[in-house]
Amino acid sequence: NAGVTQTPKFRILKIGQSMTLQCAQDMNHNYMYWYRQDPGMGLKLIYYSVGAGITDKGEVPNGYNVSRSTTEDFPLRLELAAPSQTSVYFCASSWASGLKHTDTQYFGPGTRLTVL
Amino acid sequence: GESVGLHLPTLSVQEGDNSIINCAYSNSASDYFIWYKQESGKGPQFIIDIRSNMDKRQGQRVTVLLNKTVKHLSLQIAATQPGDSAVYFCAEVPPPGTYKYIFGTGTRLKVLA
Repeated sequence: NAGVTQTPKFRILKIGQSMTLQCAQDMNHNYMYWYRQDPGMGLKLIYYSVGAGITDKGEVPNGYNVSRSTTEDFPLRLELAAPSQTSVYFCASSWASGLKHTDTQYFGPGTRLTVL
Repeated sequence: GESVGLHLPTLSVQEGDNSIINCAYSNSASDYFIWYKQESGKGPQFIIDIRSNMDKRQGQRVTVLLNKTVKHLSLQIAATQPGDSAVYFCAEVPPPGTYKYIFGTGTRLKVLA
């Protein structure tokens, strides 16, 4: 299993440009998450999904959009890039079964995004 | 609000010594706790977890202790090696039926040769 994969690894955007960060997992996990990590800070949840076709906002969703058309893929879209979106973005996935415990989140290698 | 925090932002340890990294949590209803290791330029990597009905769990060179009385979690690394240099952070996993993990900001472990 490749686990959680993310592309690209690095990207530089100009203000106002758009891009999609790709995330895929091959563990058949139902939950997927997008986080951003700023220097010296903890992970902040942007969006999450509990299954194909279902997404919801996290702590810091403004400026981002997501979709979940398949179990495997969970792309994150930046429509109008701003310098405040300069960060490292991590995708994660886990298995959760309703009222049972939510299992460990496994993370991808991250995408380092700079907006100039 | 609920939070998970770490007492020491940076910990320097001599190679071969034991390391102890601490974490405080505030949600007594949390289901379990996870320690992650994050090396420079990489994603967080699962190290070990512990359920709320346990007080100790051991892995390879790592031990996690959970003290529910004082809401404290610690990660012990035995015979610390240069490859252990990284940021370590704990995650508080919510009760069943919720999704939102609570992550600490992390402690940087520096292993001195």
